[in-house]
Amino acid sequence: SQQGEEDPQALSIQEGENATMNCSYKTSINNLQWYRQNSGRGLVHLILIRSNEREKHSGRLRVTLDTSKKSSSLLITASRAADTASYFCATADNYGQNFVFGPGTRLSVLP
Amino acid sequence: DAGVIQSPRHEVTEMGQEVTLRCKPISGHDYLFWYRQTMMRGLELLIYFNNNVPIDDSGMPEDRFSAKMPNASFSTLKIQPSEPRDSAVYFCASTGWTSGGYEQFFGPGTRLTVL
Repeated sequence: SQQGEEDPQALSIQEGENATMNCSYKTSINNLQWYRQNSGRGLVHLILIRSNEREKHSGRLRVTLDTSKKSSSLLITASRAADTASYFCATADNYGQNFVFGPGTRLSVLP
Repeated sequence: DAGVIQSPRHEVTEMGQEVTLRCKPISGHDYLFWYRQTMMRGLELLIYFNNNVPIDDSGMPEDRFSAKMPNASFSTLKIQPSEPRDSAVYFCASTGWTSGGYEQFFGPGTRLTVL
C-alpha cells in the first residue's frame, strides 16, 4: 500500500541550480530510499538513509530525514542536464517491506 | 553480482495469449517484489514474496494474473489471458539486508505490449 507522495510533481530548473524534492510517509520506518528513473529505463537506487540518521550525502546528493514530521527531502546541487529524470522515494520497515509511493517528482534540468 | 535480471526485456503479444515474465533476484536477498508501471497509474505493487512465500498479493489486478517463486533464485509473473490494458512495464525488485537496513534493487523491467 502506498504511504504518501512526493512533491512537487514536476520541477523545471536551469543547469547549475539546485533542485529540492520532498517525500512524505505515514507509518514508522526502518529506512528511506531515493531512486532515479530515466525515461524508459528502470529505477536506480541513489541513497539510503536510516531512521536514526538526519542527513546523508553522496556526491551532489543530500538527503535529510525528519521522522517527527515523517518527511524527507532530496537536494541535488549544481544540477546537470543528465539529472533530468523522475525521482521516487520508498520506505522500508523492519520486516523488509518496501513500497514506492506517489507519482514521483519529474525533474527537468534545462541547459 | 549482476543485479536483478528480468526476461524478456520486451514482449509483444496478441490479446488472449499467455504471457510469462521472469525474474532472477540478487543472490541472498530474501524479498522479491513485482511492480507494474504505466503513465496513467504510475508504479503499482502487485505482489511480494518473503523466502519464496507469497506474503501480499492484494495488488494483483485480477485472477488473470498469477505469480510463483519456486525457489530463491527464480520467480515468474504470468498473465493468462492477456488483454490490451495489461500493457505496461513490469519490474521485479529484490530486497536484502545491508548495514543500513533493508535495501531494494530493481531489475531493468519488461515492457509488455498486448495488441
